[in-house]
Amino acid sequence: ETGVTQSPTHLIKTRGQQVTLRCSSQSGHNTVSWYQQALGQGPQFIFQYYREEENGRGNFPPRFSGLQFPNYSSELNVNALELDDSALYLCASSQPDRGNNYGYTFGSGTRLTVV
Amino acid sequence: GESVGLHLPTLSVQEGDNSIINCAYSNSASDYFIWYKQESGKGPQFIIDIRSNMDKRQGQRVTVLLNKTVKHLSLQIAATQPGDSAVYFCAENNNDYKLSFGAGTTVTVRA
Repeated sequence: ETGVTQSPTHLIKTRGQQVTLRCSSQSGHNTVSWYQQALGQGPQFIFQYYREEENGRGNFPPRFSGLQFPNYSSELNVNALELDDSALYLCASSQPDRGNNYGYTFGSGTRLTVV
Repeated sequence: GESVGLHLPTLSVQEGDNSIINCAYSNSASDYFIWYKQESGKGPQFIIDIRSNMDKRQGQRVTVLLNKTVKHLSLQIAATQPGDSAVYFCAENNNDYKLSFGAGTTVTVRA
């Protein structure tokens, strides 16, 4: 059983640019959630995708958008990057309709630095 | 509003001793709680979970206690080992698949 893989692992972008982060879900998981983790803080929920549609969204502006593909992999896109977008972006996959812990499995994240 | 927080940002413990990490939550409607461990350069790793209809749950070397009266959650680690050094997060779920995390407690194990 493969885990959650994210790419790239590190990324440096300039303010105003756009970025796309990628996530492959764990085998058998059909739901993907994205979280932003600022340095020294806990992860903050961005949004979740289920069956290729957004299934819930946290308090993030519209310039944060996402996609889920038929194979359940997902992308997180951020437009017009700001310095405060610098953070670790975590992807978590899950299979909410089975198991008793929602089966959240996190990837190792993408470290985004905006300069 | 909802918030999940940890009482202390850092905890230093002697190897072999027991560790207790605390967490307070404010949403009385929360029905599911999870403890995660995050090592440097890695994503959060599931440790143990507990539902709101339980007071205590045990795993391997770990125990989670839930006190719904005072909205408090704790994680106990028995015989703490150097490999337990990490940041520990409590997370809350309110039946909507979104996890709300606290700020974390950094545990350092002294040899």
